[in-house]
Amino acid sequence: QTVVTQEPSLTVSPGGTVTLTCASSTGAVTSGYYPNWFQQKPGQAPRALIYSTSNKHSWTPARFSGSLLGGKAALTLSGVQPEDEAEYYCLLYYAGAQLWVFGGGTKLTVL
Amino acid sequence: QLQLQESGPGLVKPSETLSLTCTVSGDSISSNNYYWGWIRQPPGKGLEWIGSIYYSGSTYYNPSLKSRVTISVHTSKSQFSLNLSSVTAADTAVYYCVRHRTTVTTGWGRGTLLTVSS
Repeated sequence: QTVVTQEPSLTVSPGGTVTLTCASSTGAVTSGYYPNWFQQKPGQAPRALIYSTSNKHSWTPARFSGSLLGGKAALTLSGVQPEDEAEYYCLLYYAGAQLWVFGGGTKLTVL
Repeated sequence: QLQLQESGPGLVKPSETLSLTCTVSGDSISSNNYYWGWIRQPPGKGLEWIGSIYYSGSTYYNPSLKSRVTISVHTSKSQFSLNLSSVTAADTAVYYCVRHRTTVTTGWGRGTLLTVSS
């Protein structure tokens, strides 16, 4: 069974920088997994932030960026705002099995 | 502008089959190179990809649900549907329909809560 792992929780101060990561049980995450990142606030549907590792949607704030870091997909928030407090999910595509797998989510607290 | 709207019974009894429909507006459900998929989220838990159907009709399912899932497209109605058989309380969740490519999701519904209870 393929498992995608994220940090369960992280805390960051307003104005600070934080990096969330997304690891695969099958090995290093590469661009071929087309990592996507989503933000979800309580009671709302997920909102797409990043696709194909580092591409932003038209509505994605500039302070969000995606990358590959140490064999993992990464989402970095620079200059964190209070409204960034949310759950963040990554999504990886496994081409061989033709399936998509979500990470367990990271609860980001801005404190 | 693409809009996706889930609809369903809201409540299903254990062992029965769950049926949900997603109505698509603002684009053709036959658009090339798009997948139409279902994602769910149990209360207080994370997101789980259930499966997707490609515009060509090919289907792809989460291995953990594959034996119970069927996704189909109804082109004339601009809808696609999810059937999940033999449901249990563990299938209680908010169900989202989505449009996506391999690399990116391009539209989400607002979600519909499906409760499994007798």
